[in-house]
Amino acid sequence: DTGVSQDPRHKITKRGQNVTFRCDPISEHNRLYWYRQTLGQGPEFLTYFQNEAQLEKSRLLSDRFSAERPKGSFSTLEIQRTEQGDSAMYLCASSSPDINYGYTFGSGTRLTVV
Amino acid sequence: AQSVAQPEDQVNVAEGNPLTVKCTYSVSGNPYLFWYVQYPNRGLQFLLKYITGDNLVKGSYGFEAEFNKSQTSFHLKKPSALVSDSALYFCAVSSNAGNNRKLIWGLGTSLAVNP
Repeated sequence: DTGVSQDPRHKITKRGQNVTFRCDPISEHNRLYWYRQTLGQGPEFLTYFQNEAQLEKSRLLSDRFSAERPKGSFSTLEIQRTEQGDSAMYLCASSSPDINYGYTFGSGTRLTVV
Repeated sequence: AQSVAQPEDQVNVAEGNPLTVKCTYSVSGNPYLFWYVQYPNRGLQFLLKYITGDNLVKGSYGFEAEFNKSQTSFHLKKPSALVSDSALYFCAVSSNAGNNRKLIWGLGTSLAVNP
């Protein structure tokens, strides 16, 4: 296991289209997080899973956003009816139950909505 | 509420000089503190953390940070900066209060090391 993988690395889509991103965490990590980052800003928390349960969802996550982690392993983040304001880097991170180890981040998916 | 402040948007230092990137925090309970670095078009990379123990924490690439409980600070330092250290640096905090292991992030500090 070489770390957290995110796919795709880049996505360009037309406004109004749906997009889906995938995150494969480190296999022994039971916690998975989605963040959004815009240029020059820090990561903004979107949602958090412990195993397959979605335990917290940010108010930033409108009804157009949905995330799943069906078997407690990989996760998907879907954005429906994309808007130009959705353009950002979407970061996935995973962690073990012991916060001592912090998060391990993937390289991110850069979304551009045109 | 938990919060993190990085008071400087940008820090400029000459290569070979010491650098400091500042971070202050506010949490309930005992803080867990982290520094991450982000190079252009890359994800965030873990540098170091403070959980408990010695206040001076040593991390990757020669970086260190000092936990100061009375000043609620966790400043990142390096004795001699390299041009390759130029990047975005993020401070983050969690706490042992409750079961929420979500990190709260600062807005980042852009470090520029000039040759």
